[in-house]
Amino acid sequence: EIMMTQSPATLSVSPGERATLSCRASQSISRNLVWYQQKPGQAPRLLIYAASTRAPAFPGRFSGSGSGTEFTLTISNLQSEDFAIYYCQQYNNWPLTFGRGTKVEI
Amino acid sequence: EVQLLESGGGLVQPGGSLRLSCAASGFTFRDYAVTWVRHVAGTGLEWVSTISASGDRTYYAESVKGRFTISRDNSKNTLYLQMNSLRAEDTAIYYCAKGTFIDYWGQGVPVTVSS
Repeated sequence: EIMMTQSPATLSVSPGERATLSCRASQSISRNLVWYQQKPGQAPRLLIYAASTRAPAFPGRFSGSGSGTEFTLTISNLQSEDFAIYYCQQYNNWPLTFGRGTKVEI
Repeated sequence: EVQLLESGGGLVQPGGSLRLSCAASGFTFRDYAVTWVRHVAGTGLEWVSTISASGDRTYYAESVKGRFTISRDNSKNTLYLQMNSLRAEDTAIYYCAKGTFIDYWGQGVPVTVSS
């Protein structure tokens, strides 16, 4: 099973700042990685797929990068609506596995 | 518009059974794998099971293998999850989802396993 490790667990930032979230895979997953955004009481939403392709519903201040085992989600110019939990997930191998999430808070 | 509507959740005693259903619309259901993911409070998201587009291949998390069965009826655009021998640790919100990297999620259905 591929372990997905996200860091930090919690990231405290101010509106307008940049947030950098990390996701590490225990073995290479090529670029088969997605990021989801989840807000309290809501279902997750697809944010980034194939490591760096942004879903249409999200603005350009969200970007993903990385390949192999190291991946990064960057949120520039944080807005109030961006405060949420962000999960990474690999879809390179079975079983599919998620990281434990990074909570972005004020 | 893609919609995934789960039903069948509720309160069940340990050792009991539940069957979740997910009605899909807004896309060609028979062309896509579909997945169940659960959200355990305080823990995060956990993949549960996936079934291929035709239904000939199924995949399960170790934690549910032998207890849960995923199936689909492409004529009814419906996904199912039969959950047997339920345990307290199966308590979660269960989401139906399109794909293996998930581009659409249902709103989720709560399952509580408690005596």
